[in-house]
Amino acid sequence: QQQVKQSPQSLIVQKGGISIINCAYENTAFDYFPWYQQFPGKGPALLIAIRPDVSEKKEGRFTISFNKSAKQFSLHIMDSQPGDSATYFCAASGADKLIFGTGTRLQVFP
Amino acid sequence: DAGITQSPRHKVTETGTPVTLRCHQTENHRYMYWYRQDPGHGLRLIHYSYGVKDTDKGEVSDGYSVSRSKTEDFLLTLESATSSQTSVYFCAIKIATGELFFGEGSRLTVL
Repeated sequence: QQQVKQSPQSLIVQKGGISIINCAYENTAFDYFPWYQQFPGKGPALLIAIRPDVSEKKEGRFTISFNKSAKQFSLHIMDSQPGDSATYFCAASGADKLIFGTGTRLQVFP
Repeated sequence: DAGITQSPRHKVTETGTPVTLRCHQTENHRYMYWYRQDPGHGLRLIHYSYGVKDTDKGEVSDGYSVSRSKTEDFLLTLESATSSQTSVYFCAIKIATGELFFGEGSRLTVL
């Protein structure tokens, strides 16, 4: 079964808009929630991460919102740019394993 | 750059043949991982290692075996490749911050 559920599968946003990707998890033992960004032909790279003791983390235009009681977390990309066009994966970690969501393909049009 | 290389980067093989993918790191990190990436499934963990000769199964380990005889190398073996194992395989290492750092991937096609 999918331990980390991610939506939407694809997202089209205009330049300057806000991109929002959502994830939900089931295992309450997860204690680390990263987001990875992947460009075509490349391996995923860490974008931003959060631990469950905080509800929000912001790095530049990227923000993670975390709701522990709902077991949900989301990535917000403010002022989206064409260079942000990539596939984004949420993930959750526990017991040395990192479990990924199914990915969201983001396209930002000028 | 965490110094991780995968080989081969591309391979085409036939059903029933054995295949070995190699992941090599240069920085003596303890944890190494093998994932496969398929459309609609994201990245799924196959096996991982937490030290020399110490390995454990992931979500999709059936049909795969791994070996780690030295810290720097983590091998993924398909004993008898099937078409369902056509995929892009990524190796990753866990670096000091806890982040997983991924290689460039190995694209395997099983005909």
